[in-house]
Parts: sequence; structure tokens; C-alpha cells
Amino acid sequence: GENVEQHPSTLSVQEGDSAVIKCTYSDSASNYFPWYKQELGKGPQLIIDIRSNVGEKKDQRIAVTLNKTAKHFSLHITETQPEDSAVYFCAATYGGSARQLTFGSGTQLTVLP
Amino acid sequence: EAQVTQNPRYLITVTGKKLTVTCSQNMNHEYMSWYRQDPGLGLRQIYYSMNVEVTDKGDVPEGYKVSRKEKRNFPLILESPSPNQTSLYFCASSLSGGELFFGEGSRLTVL
Repeated sequence: GENVEQHPSTLSVQEGDSAVIKCTYSDSASNYFPWYKQELGKGPQLIIDIRSNVGEKKDQRIAVTLNKTAKHFSLHITETQPEDSAVYFCAATYGGSARQLTFGSGTQLTVLP
Repeated sequence: EAQVTQNPRYLITVTGKKLTVTCSQNMNHEYMSWYRQDPGLGLRQIYYSMNVEVTDKGDVPEGYKVSRKEKRNFPLILESPSPNQTSLYFCASSLSGGELFFGEGSRLTVL
């Protein structure tokens, strides 16, 4: 089955700096890679996703890049703000949908004022 | 408001006492799923359901049961809870396997 590794497990940045979270996956058949943000006491929420036919996707201050050859994908957050503080999960699956997603272990991002 | 509702949000129980965590969604989603979240392990899928009366095992199904008799409800049943089932549980739903919408979680402690 799929295995997703996520690094780092914790990340602290100064407000206004950039943050990068990296994930690697094992199954070359995986073709859908979403990122979820979990705020304290809440369930995860989708913030951005990318499919294997695309190398990069941006949405305002967040972007995701995918390297299919190396089987890794990354989340980039620019101009970080205190409200970006949360746990971020990467995930991967085949079939192009959210079914049977395999999640990474999560990254606790703290944005220091 | 579109939402996934779980109950109870917090529960402390003892080993062997059967319990049910309910999950209900109001978005007419076909797909529903249960995950458990443990420190350092991320979210692991317990069971999922593609539609009414269709359920299947995820990665960590041992010790759990589910049923899907109605489209909106997907209860998680622990017939004989054990301490290693102490965890934070999330129910999620999606339309045809698209974006997952999660509930707010149910924190279960088994003594």
C-alpha cells in the first residue's frame, strides 16, 4: 500500500517569513495529492490539492509543487501570518479522488509574531 | 449550514463497555469515512463507505464496526473497547470521492 512520509514534524517561523513542508510517497500510481490544515480543536480542512498531470499550483499565499520522478511534493506558504499556525497534513491516493487517502504524520507550524 | 456532526465530542469509558460514536452529514454525500488521529501517526483510516449498505475496511479496522443504513449516517461501533483505542476520532464525507469534509472530532479515552 501507499506510504507517505512528512517532514518536519514541527516548524517555527517568524511572521512574514516563508514555510515549506515536504512529503514523499511510495506508490508511483498515486495521482492525487491534497493538503489539509487542522486548527486547534477542529477537524482538518482542505486548503489546496494537486493532481499528477500538474507540476505546481498556487492559491494566493500557498502553493504546492509536485515532482513525480522523485515522488515528492511540497507545501509552500509565503508571508506567513499568525492565523497560519496549525497542523498541516499531506496525503496521497491513486484513482484521483479522496477515497482511501493515505495521510502523512502531520507538521505543527507555529508562526511567531 | 453544510456540516458533519459527530457525537459525543468527548467520552471517557472503561474497557469492554460497548459504545457508539455517531456521525451525520447534511450534504447528501455518498462517501463517508472514519479516521483515528494519534500523535506522530497522522490520520489513519478505520472504515469507509461508498454508499448505503456498502462498507469496507481501511488501514486499521480491528476492534471497530460500522454500518451505513441511511445515506446521512455512519456510526462507529466499538463492541469491546480497549485502552489502545484511546484516540481522537474523525468522521468525514465527500461527494463522489472529492474534497473530504471532516467533523470536529470525538476524543475517546478508554480506561
